[in-house]
Amino acid sequence: GAGVSQSPSNKVTEKGKDVELRCDPISGHTALYWYRQSLGQGLEFLIYFQGNSAPDKSGLPSDRFSAERTGGSVSTLTIQRTQQEDSAVYLCASSTDQGNNSPLHFGNGTRLTVT
Amino acid sequence: TQLLEQSPQFLSIQEGENLTVYCNSSSVFSSLQWYRQEPGEGPVLLVTVVTGGEVKKLKRLTFQFGDARKDSSLHITAAQPGDTGLYLCAGASAGSNYKLTFGKGTLLTVNP
Repeated sequence: GAGVSQSPSNKVTEKGKDVELRCDPISGHTALYWYRQSLGQGLEFLIYFQGNSAPDKSGLPSDRFSAERTGGSVSTLTIQRTQQEDSAVYLCASSTDQGNNSPLHFGNGTRLTVT
Repeated sequence: TQLLEQSPQFLSIQEGENLTVYCNSSSVFSSLQWYRQEPGEGPVLLVTVVTGGEVKKLKRLTFQFGDARKDSSLHITAAQPGDTGLYLCAGASAGSNYKLTFGKGTLLTVNP
């Protein structure tokens, strides 16, 4: 079946502009995650959605970052007034969230470059 | 803050050689996952280990979870060029099992 789909695959933006990144999870997966992968760094947790529960936003690095998930499916990550340090690969993952053994299925990411 | 230290950071070997990658922490994890990531793609899960001392084998790959559930290793026997990639370990804590802590990864290159 179809995997996690992210768009765009690449995004180049000017400093100060807003960007929206989109994630289509695997159908039926109730849990959705956003991670950020910077060069030479590990994956950094950003936000977690599970069903209708309040999302865990504890990983968002600043108030310029926000995310929503509409209808329990598609999610968008918005970065306002982008800065050069926001340049990274943004990865979305989904899972069935049946405990800590649920594997995360990752998309191929959006590579964001802020110039 | 929980940290996972992976070593080595980079590894370049010849086809047919054996190698071991390490993932260490001072924190206890309820489970630990290993992922492999290729350029331009997202990480793909290889294995999950849950029990201290557990050993899992996946063809030429052997994964071990430390007795104290603070460390793990990945051993590859007779490496092949297709094994090339970034290997990531990720730990889940009992308090928030959905929030994985990732190591920075080991970039493995297997030369033919």
